[in-house]
Amino acid sequence: DIQMTQSPSSLSASVGDRVTITCRASQSISRSLNWYQQKPGKAPKLLIYAASSLHSGVPLRFSGSGSGTDFTLTINGLQPEDFATYLCQQSDGFPYSFGQGTKLDI
Amino acid sequence: QVHLQESGPRLVKPSQTLSLTCTVSGDSIRSDNYYWNWMRQAPGKGLEWIGYIFHTGNTYYNPSLKSRVTLSVDTSKNQFSLHLSSVTAADTAVYYCARKTVYDILTGDYFDQWGQGSLVTVSS
Repeated sequence: DIQMTQSPSSLSASVGDRVTITCRASQSISRSLNWYQQKPGKAPKLLIYAASSLHSGVPLRFSGSGSGTDFTLTINGLQPEDFATYLCQQSDGFPYSFGQGTKLDI
Repeated sequence: QVHLQESGPRLVKPSQTLSLTCTVSGDSIRSDNYYWNWMRQAPGKGLEWIGYIFHTGNTYYNPSLKSRVTLSVDTSKNQFSLHLSSVTAADTAVYYCARKTVYDILTGDYFDQWGQGSLVTVSS
């Protein structure tokens, strides 16, 4: 199975900050990496697919990059609604797997 | 606007079968563009993919749960279902249904629509 490891596990930031979250795969997954945002008690929402493509309706301050085993999610100019948990997910091989999450708070 | 909604018992006794249904509205489950999935998230844990079903009935399960999982689809009701047998307390989790796109060489595949989630507790 492909293991996904996110860092950091938690992150404190302020409105307006630029933050970067990292996701590492245990083996190469090409660009088969998706990012989700999850708020407490809610389902995850898709932000980025195929490592760097912005899902419809997602603000341009979100961006993704990477390939192979190392990926990053960057948020430029944090907004109050961005404080949430961020998850990466690989779709390169079965079973699909998720990172443990990065909690972004103030 | 696509909407997915989980339904089913919130409390299941140990050794029994957990059954949930996901009702899809705003889209046809017969679409060739999507697979229909179940995920779960135990309290304080990460997300675990359980498996998917295509409208034809084709399935793929997570090997870690394969011996206990059955997915089914009812295209006439636009629903798909999860059955997880021989449950224990370790199966206590929020269960999500989700839509996954069919793989495309340019866009890959991803979960683009999710249900709100249903907390199922396994307890006597």
